[in-house]
Amino acid sequence: EAQVTQNPRYLITVTGKKLTVTCSQNMNHEYMSWYRQDPGLGLRQIYYSMNVEVTDKGDVPEGYKVSRKEKRNFPLILESPSPNQTSLYFCASSSLFRETQYFGPGTRLLVL
Amino acid sequence: GQQLNQSPQSMFIQEGEDVSMNCTSSSIFNTWLWYKQDPGEGPVLLIALYKAGELTSNGRLTAQFGITRKDSFLNISASIPSDVGIYFCAGLPTNNAGNMLTFGGGTRLMVKP
Repeated sequence: EAQVTQNPRYLITVTGKKLTVTCSQNMNHEYMSWYRQDPGLGLRQIYYSMNVEVTDKGDVPEGYKVSRKEKRNFPLILESPSPNQTSLYFCASSSLFRETQYFGPGTRLLVL
Repeated sequence: GQQLNQSPQSMFIQEGEDVSMNCTSSSIFNTWLWYKQDPGEGPVLLIALYKAGELTSNGRLTAQFGITRKDSFLNISASIPSDVGIYFCAGLPTNNAGNMLTFGGGTRLMVKP
């Protein structure tokens, strides 16, 4: 089954404690992306990657890092989480030149 | 980056009623997409529009790509309880780098049986 998986689905942490949210897709997609979703703001792009070792900032990259060492994986790293990073995070992937992005199930993060 | 203006923010309707929502932008878009997000899930693509003036249907859903290329509309006919969720418009601007979508703020639809 074609899918995007994220782990963990729920995470509660404290300010400053480094965390990583994993994302994996099994569709051999070149393009992968991270979004955060906040009430009334829709989905805002954090980082995206157009292929292995190619990453770029989206609209709200501050406080986040990503890496793309393998085509299927695109982890999101919060080196020093802060409460304003409490949000619902989605990973998405697509073929590079197609608009249909497939979204993962989401990771709900609470930073205390 | 810019956001799309999506309205209404929420709707509470009776089962069987028709629903309309729209998105507007100050910039021109090449592609308009409509997604639905069920509670606890990621967004799922409903309809994709690629040409100005295009009208596309998917079951009870109909979406249109505005002639000015700065807006799009989604209509749901004869709503049913499973239509509940958040509907997002998204667009690819003309100066797009790769597949960078811009999303609207979402329309939360609630349907009363």
